[in-house]
Amino acid sequence: IAGITQAPTSQILAAGRRMTLRCTQDMRHNAMYWYRQDLGLGLRLIHYSNTAGTTGKGEVPDGYSVSRANTDDFPLTLASAVPSQTSVYFCASSHGTDSDTQYFGPGTRLTVL
Amino acid sequence: GQNIDQPTEMTATEGAIVQINCTYQTSGFNGLFWYQQHAGEAPTFLSYNVLDGLEEKGRFSSFLSRSKGYSYLLLKELQMKDSASYLCAVRDNDYKLSFGAGTTVTVRA
Repeated sequence: IAGITQAPTSQILAAGRRMTLRCTQDMRHNAMYWYRQDLGLGLRLIHYSNTAGTTGKGEVPDGYSVSRANTDDFPLTLASAVPSQTSVYFCASSHGTDSDTQYFGPGTRLTVL
Repeated sequence: GQNIDQPTEMTATEGAIVQINCTYQTSGFNGLFWYQQHAGEAPTFLSYNVLDGLEEKGRFSSFLSRSKGYSYLLLKELQMKDSASYLCAVRDNDYKLSFGAGTTVTVRA
């Protein structure tokens, strides 16, 4: 069992390019989340999905889109990358119940030049 | 929205005790979590409090006072491997987490 995986591990991207960060979990978790982590700001929620077929906006959704076609996958797309999107991106998943915690993937380090 | 405050840095000696405080002001509360994050790695779950009081897990304990909007994480018998960032996170009624900026703990020999 892999848990939750992310790809790529790291990426350098030219501004204006389109990029999709991949996230897959094999724990049959209902809920999935995308965060970005920046020095001094902590983890900030970009988008989330409480169950397959639904998505919602988090604290910092602008410039990002997500889809949740099935339970396992939750890709994050940057339609036209900008330098301010340089960050470490973490995907997380959870059952979505009261006593439940979120489990995090290993992260993707993205640099936009 | 959520406003979560915790100290930026703390330093302690191996074998000692360190207490990391977290205060929060929230529009909804459905539990408080502590995560540990080593440099370059993903956050990992440490503890969860939803009712007032102390939860103990080995060398780590977490306390919550909902009326005061206050929690602390207590790390006892510090080891070098405890050097990491500790993240306080508050869950709202929609099961979304809001994180503090994290406290970097450095353990010295």
